[in-house]
Amino acid sequence: GAVVSQHPSRVICKSGTSVKIECRSLDFQATTMFWYRQFPKKSLMLMATSNEGSKATYEQGVEKDKFLINHASLTLSTLTVTSAHPEDSSFYICSASSPIGEGRGNEQFFGPGTRLTVL
Amino acid sequence: GNSVTQMEGPVTLSEEAFLTINCTYTATGYPSLFWYVQYPGEGLQLLLKATKADDKGSNKGFEATYRKETTSFHLEKGSVQVSDSAVYFCALRNSQGGSEKLVFGKGMKLTVNP
Repeated sequence: GAVVSQHPSRVICKSGTSVKIECRSLDFQATTMFWYRQFPKKSLMLMATSNEGSKATYEQGVEKDKFLINHASLTLSTLTVTSAHPEDSSFYICSASSPIGEGRGNEQFFGPGTRLTVL
Repeated sequence: GNSVTQMEGPVTLSEEAFLTINCTYTATGYPSLFWYVQYPGEGLQLLLKATKADDKGSNKGFEATYRKETTSFHLEKGSVQVSDSAVYFCALRNSQGGSEKLVFGKGMKLTVNP
């Protein structure tokens, strides 16, 4: 149990286009989902926290108009990289958590990540 | 603020060698501490955790003890296997204010050779 999927696993796009990445909790309802960005040889950096049905909370320095996050249901959150540029190339990882009362102790479960390459 | 500092590697060991990955943290209050593992091509998985001082987390032969006096949470395994090859991340969660945010170290890539 507690599986989180991401789609696509890998995407290559041209500069100026937009890319949508999906994050799904497959066997539990995730009230909170997190989006991270991972640079080579660097830590995971939290980009934003999203709660179902409300606006995402972005970390300092993350452009909310560039990285659009939608958490429309308890099992799906999407990250859209708008007008992508080569510097947006990175590994994007989502995680999902459920409330303590759900028996998962507020633990975050991570997706396998999406490799974005912007040409 | 909250931060995690860990050995970065990469590290290459022979099978059955002893492993230690150092991790120290800076945080206000009483954070929970975690070790996550990322196997090739997969997402991060929780390896073990400790929620208060002197707690020992253990799983799959790995252990780490929450040491508040040294603000450390070093990961150890007495005899590594080839299947332990992965990237290991130390992390903390400071629940002050109800936050669920995880703060990660930079990760350390471990390769175990037969």
